[in-house]
Amino acid sequence: QVQLQQWGAGLLKPSETLSLTCAVYGGSFSDYYWSWIRQPPGKGLEWTGEINDSGTTNYNPSLKSRVTISVDTSKNQFSLKLSSVTAADTAVYYCARTLRVRGVGRWFDPWGQGILVTVSS
Amino acid sequence: SYELTQPLSVSVALGQTARITCGGNNIESKNVHWYQQKPGQAPVLVIYRDINRPSGIPERFSGSNSGNTATLTITRAQAGDEADYYCQVWDSSTVVFGGGTKLTVL
Repeated sequence: QVQLQQWGAGLLKPSETLSLTCAVYGGSFSDYYWSWIRQPPGKGLEWTGEINDSGTTNYNPSLKSRVTISVDTSKNQFSLKLSSVTAADTAVYYCARTLRVRGVGRWFDPWGQGILVTVSS
Repeated sequence: SYELTQPLSVSVALGQTARITCGGNNIESKNVHWYQQKPGQAPVLVIYRDINRPSGIPERFSGSNSGNTATLTITRAQAGDEADYYCQVWDSSTVVFGGGTKLTVL
């Protein structure tokens, strides 16, 4: 039974860098991609990007210039950094296992518990 | 960019059938996935690749996809099914989510 546990700073000032980490327990880490997905308060879901154990990444084009996702295979962890944050980046950030099939797409199961990150001066 | 359209809200009487739609241009050519999100909780996958249920999801949940509309159907609706539901596809190298539908069980 795969479980994801995430942590990181919950309050940032504008222009700072958001930093979150997600640890994966149980199951295979190397057989999957791993994603970050965010949800502004009261709003819908937005995929941020993904990474695999080799460090291959794919990012949402709308965030690509500010996002870096990295991996630490020795700890079965992956991390999100989002630079130059503004109030618009205030959201609950989830990590999730990404299931992919070539030519079919991606879906997410399971998800981490989520962390609310607030950007405020 | 590809857009997915969901109704803001759907109501269903206890024990009846709820249908939540997800509209998109020729969506039948894509694989659609559905998530359930209860207040204060992370989303949970309930249907993947149009019609498949993950382990642990009741048979009451089913999916279909035809033409420009994918549908999540919940039969014998229970109070515990009250939640937000999101559809999701992969398009042009990115993930697209619908805006979400709030299901109310009356």
